[in-house]
Amino acid sequence: DGGITQSPKYLFRKEGQNVTLSCEQNLNHDAMYWYRQDPGQGLRLIYYSQIVNDFQKGDIAEGYSVSREKKESFPLTVTSAQKNPTAFYLCASSTRTSGGLAKNIQYFGAGTRLSVL
Amino acid sequence: QKEVEQNSGPLSVPEGAIASLNCTYSDRVSQSFFWYRQYSGKSPELIMSIYSNGDKEDGRFTAQLNKASQYVSLLIRDSQPSDSATYLCAVTADRGSTLGRLYFGRGTQLTVWP
Repeated sequence: DGGITQSPKYLFRKEGQNVTLSCEQNLNHDAMYWYRQDPGQGLRLIYYSQIVNDFQKGDIAEGYSVSREKKESFPLTVTSAQKNPTAFYLCASSTRTSGGLAKNIQYFGAGTRLSVL
Repeated sequence: QKEVEQNSGPLSVPEGAIASLNCTYSDRVSQSFFWYRQYSGKSPELIMSIYSNGDKEDGRFTAQLNKASQYVSLLIRDSQPSDSATYLCAVTADRGSTLGRLYFGRGTQLTVWP
């Protein structure tokens, strides 16, 4: 089955600890994205990557880091500098049509719920 | 900062009625527009995309786009209790081959009661 796999589904962070959220896609999509969602809120963009070995900050990048060493993988690290990390984290990907156009349709993984112990 | 505003809700309609969800956006050069449905505790799923002015219909869903008024809407006909969810509007100004970012509204919570 093609899709986007996020793991773990639930994650708990201790004070001062860095944690890494996994996002893997087998859709051969070029671009990948990380969003944060707080209760009753929309999606806020953390980081995105349009190509391997390159990524851009979104609106709330402080306290987070990413890497894009492989096309199919885009892990997100929540560092100890992120003082309020409790949220629902969503990974998404998108690609071009066969004609090379970017329809910018994003497909989402099932998400990871991060809580602080 | 590009703004995407949705009617605040929550919106409550009886089963069988038409639910109307509205979205306005600030960036006049926005090119692509999307409606996502998000059930409680789940991730968003795409239900409609629209790129040109006018209406686009898919089953019980109709998306309407008016670029001059910077307005996009979603109509759900014959609403069902299974339509109860939060609906997210998203827009992007990127065109051509650029795989850029989407800007999301905060969502409108819809409840369809039997």
